[in-house]
Amino acid sequence: GAGVSQTPSNKVTEKGKYVELRCDPISGHTALYWYRQSLGQGPEFLIYFQGTGAADDSGLPNDRFFAVRPEGSVSTLKIQRTERGDSAVYLCASSPFTGGTGELFFGEGSRLTVL
Amino acid sequence: AQTVTQSQPEMSVQEAETVTLSCTYDTSESDYYLFWYKQPPSRQMILVIRQEAYKQQNATENRFSVNFQKAAKSFSLKISDSQLGDAAMYFCAYTRNNDMRFGAGTRLTVKP
Repeated sequence: GAGVSQTPSNKVTEKGKYVELRCDPISGHTALYWYRQSLGQGPEFLIYFQGTGAADDSGLPNDRFFAVRPEGSVSTLKIQRTERGDSAVYLCASSPFTGGTGELFFGEGSRLTVL
Repeated sequence: AQTVTQSQPEMSVQEAETVTLSCTYDTSESDYYLFWYKQPPSRQMILVIRQEAYKQQNATENRFSVNFQKAAKSFSLKISDSQLGDAAMYFCAYTRNNDMRFGAGTRLTVKP
């Protein structure tokens, strides 16, 4: 596709359940980012991939959060034992540049609601 | 850690007028990049303008321009001839080593 695609657009789950959020970056973009945006806040950095490896996962809030990018393209953000505080919009972005010098191209986000 | 502060949660401007959105940041680095992103209700973040810290000249993109004051660590966005389509959340962002940091945002309302 022409842009960053995120699925699902909306996800409602119950507390304690497992959730997967998918990001399909722009073809050829080597850098991929996950951000979390709570209501009324700016995006909060979670993790950054360069190729298949997580170059920086310092933003993941705890060990319930995990992300993979096995083939250097599609990435999945996995949340175990979801809590109500995990409710937010999860944004994915990709970039053709290394070193954080360039524009990030964002998807429309996945809105997660934990009941 | 680098922080980005946007002190104006909401701003309002009359159509065709000019508005300035404020942003300050904290860093000990000398080489970095600053951005303004726009987020309409569709949620997709769109780049408005970018500034490299090593460039003294302020960036300009059509009706959008910045006032970059490196010593003061200030990076404001000026929108000239405001249009109804400019209404959105605006986020200031800083990056140096991949972890782009965003401010809390300013909600801009454009009155017809």
